[in-house]
Amino acid sequence: GAVVSQHPSWVICKSGTSVKIECRSLDFQATTMFWYRQFPKQSLMLMATSNEGSKATYEQGVEKDKFLINHASLTLSTLTVTSAHPEDSSFYICSARDPVGAGEKLFFGSGTQLSVL
Amino acid sequence: QKEVEQDPGPLSVPEGAIVSLNCTYSNSAFQYFMWYRQYSRKGPELLMYTYSSGNKEDGRFTAQVDKSSKYISLFIRDSQPSDSATYLCAMTLDSNYQLIWGAGTKLIIKP
Repeated sequence: GAVVSQHPSWVICKSGTSVKIECRSLDFQATTMFWYRQFPKQSLMLMATSNEGSKATYEQGVEKDKFLINHASLTLSTLTVTSAHPEDSSFYICSARDPVGAGEKLFFGSGTQLSVL
Repeated sequence: QKEVEQDPGPLSVPEGAIVSLNCTYSNSAFQYFMWYRQYSRKGPELLMYTYSSGNKEDGRFTAQVDKSSKYISLFIRDSQPSDSATYLCAMTLDSNYQLIWGAGTKLIIKP
């Protein structure tokens, strides 16, 4: 299957700092990427949908000024958690949609564990 | 009521057993149904993808969709300890992938 690379896999930062997470589609061009958040023992919560070259669409309750999403190319989307606080500690996962072909077109990154001290 | 209901488990079975994982849903308009496997601290991996009703088999895995009952299942034959993971069902109205997720069922296969 297609590969989506997500970095870093884990990050520890001090409260008030900003953290950037990268999501790359390695062997396909992803017109649409998704960012999820997952708390322990819970399912995935969609945060936002990003389309290449346009502004991201945020889900209700997600602060767009806190979670900045940039999808500047067909293979790269970034999520920046600005002025991170301990309550932002979570597991963040990106996924990318391969527009070519049929059926299984949504591929996930390996996730980023963010811990804010 | 959640759109998709899935028992979080954990479900613990001995190695070699047949495992049955299930989800129910309320929106009869869902057309695409997926099962993902997620290991701890990893992203989900797509296991099975089914459009509309019917069965689909891939190796030890069989996915079933019963739209009349709004019920989907994933069967794992000859279960292995490496199958221990959380299994998430997901579904959507169309192929633009605004997925609606189940809570995930934690599966433990005991050697």
